[in-house]
Amino acid sequence: AQSVTQLDSQVPVFEEAPVELRCNYSSSVSVYLFWYVQYPNQGLQLLLKYLSGSTLVKGINGFEAEFNKSQTSFHLRKPSVHISDTAEYFCAVSVLWRRRFGAGTRLTVKP
Amino acid sequence: EAGVTQFPSHSVIEKGQTVTLRCDPISGHDNLYWYRRVMGKEIKFLLHFVKESKQDESGMPNNRFLAERTGGTYSTLKVQPAELEDSGVYFCASSDQFNYGYTFGSGTRLTVV
Repeated sequence: AQSVTQLDSQVPVFEEAPVELRCNYSSSVSVYLFWYVQYPNQGLQLLLKYLSGSTLVKGINGFEAEFNKSQTSFHLRKPSVHISDTAEYFCAVSVLWRRRFGAGTRLTVKP
Repeated sequence: EAGVTQFPSHSVIEKGQTVTLRCDPISGHDNLYWYRRVMGKEIKFLLHFVKESKQDESGMPNNRFLAERTGGTYSTLKVQPAELEDSGVYFCASSDQFNYGYTFGSGTRLTVV
């Protein structure tokens, strides 16, 4: 069965620093992988997705993620974060017609 | 194009009361999903409609939860009677017949006191 583990529940960083949010998945079949973001008092917004092809996926707001099949990882990265990136980030895998989510990583960007 | 709309955005009810959450999917989307996130845990799948039919309701926690999708348009999720552990954020999502355009709503935050 497919599952997702987000390795950090909270990540505090300073503004303009790089950040990596870690996600590992387990699956016995090919997977589709996603990162979602939830800004305070807002809904879930798709940041990026991996379906097939290039393992480096670029998303909105300067985020990117790399699919690593051998390490079963899909880590999210941004080279320089802004205060406005403060939010909760969710890694997810597709399971048939639904999504299975990790527990979330709260990113806090400090000035 | 309007997105997935959920209301109310917040609801505070007393234990034992009934609450009904509503979700309006993107127009033309056959698939509608309900998810729930309770206190800091992962977002969990509740159920999946294809048009007006329940395709998969394996995530529904118990029989106090009833979901309907009249005419294959909007959906409601009723909790009756509500318990403290039902508190959380309820998300709705929809996608088209090919599962493209999978979009989440902004959620309903339910607090049972």
